[in-house]
Amino acid sequence: NAGVTQTPKFQVLKTGQSMTLQCAQDMNHNSMYWYRQDPGMGLRLIYYSASEGTTDKGEVPNGYNVSRLNKREFSLRLESAAPSQTSVYFCASSETGSGNTIYFGEGSWLTVV
Amino acid sequence: GQQVMQIPQYQHVQEGEDFTTYCNSSTTLSNIQWYKQRPGGHPVFLIQLVKSGEVKKQKRLTFQFGEAKKNSSLHITATQTTDVGTYFCAETGTASKLTFGTGTRLQVTL
Repeated sequence: NAGVTQTPKFQVLKTGQSMTLQCAQDMNHNSMYWYRQDPGMGLRLIYYSASEGTTDKGEVPNGYNVSRLNKREFSLRLESAAPSQTSVYFCASSETGSGNTIYFGEGSWLTVV
Repeated sequence: GQQVMQIPQYQHVQEGEDFTTYCNSSTTLSNIQWYKQRPGGHPVFLIQLVKSGEVKKQKRLTFQFGEAKKNSSLHITATQTTDVGTYFCAETGTASKLTFGTGTRLQVTL
């Protein structure tokens, strides 16, 4: 009954360091997403993958890269972390198509100092 | 891009009072979804509205989609402390992308 699992839950990085946030879903969903959430800003889409083998930019893609490794896994990489990337990151998944429910992971709290 | 504005940003009520949050768009929405996020938690789907003028109820929660499909509301009757959290509306665009409103944070005190 895992749903969407993302790791790590908490991470502190120094400016310039790189890291990868991992995400996996066990619901056989085609679409996967990475959102970031900042106070007062709601949830903003970083990248999404409508299906295995495809990725597209969302609203705030700069400073990030993604990999849709297979149908289950969708990773988010910060190549050179900046303090502006301090945020809570949510991975999510859904069936493909407009109007489907999106299921979120529990979030990854990232602090860049 | 699609702008989905949500008001109020924050509301503090006494337990038992009613609460309403509004979601407004400058363009016609294809559909609207509502999510609840508890403090420290992740967004959880509540409901989806698709039809113009649609009204749906879940116990004390009433969701409404405007006739012009440019606005939506969530009304909670007789709030309880378990209602505390941030409520987001979201519109599904192409390829299942959700555009979220900025959210309304609800605080309920005894």
